[in-house]
Formats: sequence, C-alpha cells, structure tokens
Amino acid sequence: RKEVEQDPGPFNVPEGATVAFNCTYSNSASQSFFWYRQDCRKEPKLLMSVYSSGNEDGRFTAQLNRASQYISLLIRDSKLSDSATYLCVSRGTDSWGKLQFGAGTQVVVTP
Amino acid sequence: NAGVTQTPKFQVLKTGQSMTLQCAQDMNHNSMYWYRQDPGMGLRLIYYSASEGTTDKGEVPNGYNVSRLNKREFSLRLESAAPSQTSVYFCASFRGTLEETQYFGPGTRLLVL
Repeated sequence: RKEVEQDPGPFNVPEGATVAFNCTYSNSASQSFFWYRQDCRKEPKLLMSVYSSGNEDGRFTAQLNRASQYISLLIRDSKLSDSATYLCVSRGTDSWGKLQFGAGTQVVVTP
Repeated sequence: NAGVTQTPKFQVLKTGQSMTLQCAQDMNHNSMYWYRQDPGMGLRLIYYSASEGTTDKGEVPNGYNVSRLNKREFSLRLESAAPSQTSVYFCASFRGTLEETQYFGPGTRLLVL
C-alpha cells in the first residue's frame, strides 16, 4: 500500500465552480503535510502547507483530519489557470525532511 | 537567486552509455535529493544527502550513484544507462526546519534508447 494515496481524477470543473478532493496517508506518525502543484511534468511547486487547524490562502483551503488520516484541498471560484496536477505530500519526523508523495490528482478547469 | 538549477534539461542516451546529471542550489540548504518521476508512479526518491559529506539510498537507488560535491552541488550518475531509466529527474533541496519543505529544480528529461 502506498503511504499517500490520491484519486488520480481527472476532476473536470467548470470555470467559477468549486472543486474539492482528498488524499489519505497511512503513517500516523507523519508530522507535516503539504500540497504541491505540478504543471505538465514541470517541477512541483509548493502550493500550501497544511496545518492542524486548517488554513486558507486566497481561493485555496486545506484541511487536515488526523483521526481519519486524510488531507483535503478545496479550490473556490476555479480559474482556467488552476488546471494542473495537485500532489499531496506528507513528511515524517526525521530531521532530513524525507517526503512521501501521492501520485497526484489532475484538475481540469473548463471554460 | 536562482533557487535550484539542473543541467542538462534534455538528454538522449543509448543503452550502456553513462552520464552525470548536475544539480546546484544557492539557498544555503543543508539537504539535497534526487527523484525520478514516471507516469502514474508519483515522485520516487533515488538518493539523498542530509548534509554536506553524507549520502544515503532512497527508494529506488539501483543503477545510480551520487556525489555531494559541496554544500551547493549534488550530482547523479548513471554508469550504464538502461531503457528503464527513461524518466524525468528532479533535484530538490531543503533547509532542514520543520516549518519548511523541499524546493525543486526544473527537471531533466532523459530518454534511453
């Protein structure tokens, strides 16, 4: 079983709509969580960190549910430029920052 | 401040050839990493260097070697390329604090014929 699992999608979203998707993680000792965005096999770029209390950055909201071991990402008022693959990432407790990556969820925003 | 840079951007090799992928970061980060990304597989860690002078195997190290030349540079070598090593290779670096995470270079696309 992969340590971080995501629905590959694609999630087809009309422009202006809201889309939300989750990922699950298997290591209960994971300490930190992140969402990265990746465009067309370019490098992953950090979208946002995920805090226990949940956090919001503009149109993006991330939530962490430790009891059920899942992380969610919600995108409001979707833009065409939000079309990308979103990678769910967890980090354990070791000091050198090893990350576990999900395979990604593809989001396609349509006009 | 260029962040993480990688060379080359693209490379085509024949089976059995060797090559070195170069990575450098100018953020004074302690740790550096090499990943490969294949369709549907997500990013898989090949090797990492927790700090200057140390290197360790990741999830898929077979067929690769690394050198942490100094704090800035971390290279990945394919001694005898195989078609199964066709992939996109990303280098990343990390400062080493809990609040931060890894930053990636633009990647090297490698095709082994």
